[in-house]
Amino acid sequence: KAGVTQTPRYLIKTRGQQVTLSCSPISGHRSVSWYQQTPGQGLQFLFEYFSETQRNKGNFPGRFSGRQFSNSRSEMNVSTLELGDSALYLCASSLQGGDGYTFGSGTRLTVV
Amino acid sequence: AQSVSQHNHHVILSEAASLELGCNYSYGGTVNLFWYVQYPGQHLQLLLKYFSGDPLVKGIKGFEAEFIKSKFSFNLRKPSVQWSDTAEYFCAYSGAGSYQLTFGKGTKLSVIP
Repeated sequence: KAGVTQTPRYLIKTRGQQVTLSCSPISGHRSVSWYQQTPGQGLQFLFEYFSETQRNKGNFPGRFSGRQFSNSRSEMNVSTLELGDSALYLCASSLQGGDGYTFGSGTRLTVV
Repeated sequence: AQSVSQHNHHVILSEAASLELGCNYSYGGTVNLFWYVQYPGQHLQLLLKYFSGDPLVKGIKGFEAEFIKSKFSFNLRKPSVQWSDTAEYFCAYSGAGSYQLTFGKGTKLSVIP
């Protein structure tokens, strides 16, 4: 079966702009999580959605937001981009959450 | 703060050597534990997971991990590594009823042919 699909794979944005990243989970998976991966901080949890509801949120500023649609696809948005937002953004899906997560290949965001 | 410690940043082994990567977590309640692997240029893949039951968990590619509750540890082992095991390994946990994974910083494994 198809894995977790993230688009786009690469993005270059300018400071102050906003960006939207997309994630399509594995068919049948209703939980979608987002993580930020950087060399300095490692993998950090952003938020988790299940059936269009945010169940958990990590310790990130309000510039980071997300949503989930009725087909379980998810988007995350970062507004007013900062240089420090440059990272690999990973999406993960699972059947219900907590039962093991399958990760996508990520979107590499570079802010210049 | 809740965290995961992976003691080795970079491990270098020769092929056929035995591997043990340490992982300790700080969380007082019931946990679900995971090891993920990230091969060069590839996405994170689940190696194995522990939810309950037998504390010795077997995963893919000959890896296993042992959950020792009293030590808050979940060390990863493999009896004989191959060059293809060269990758970065991440330990993670989620609290029971939580939908958030807390990851360690990762351990890079380099296997020399």
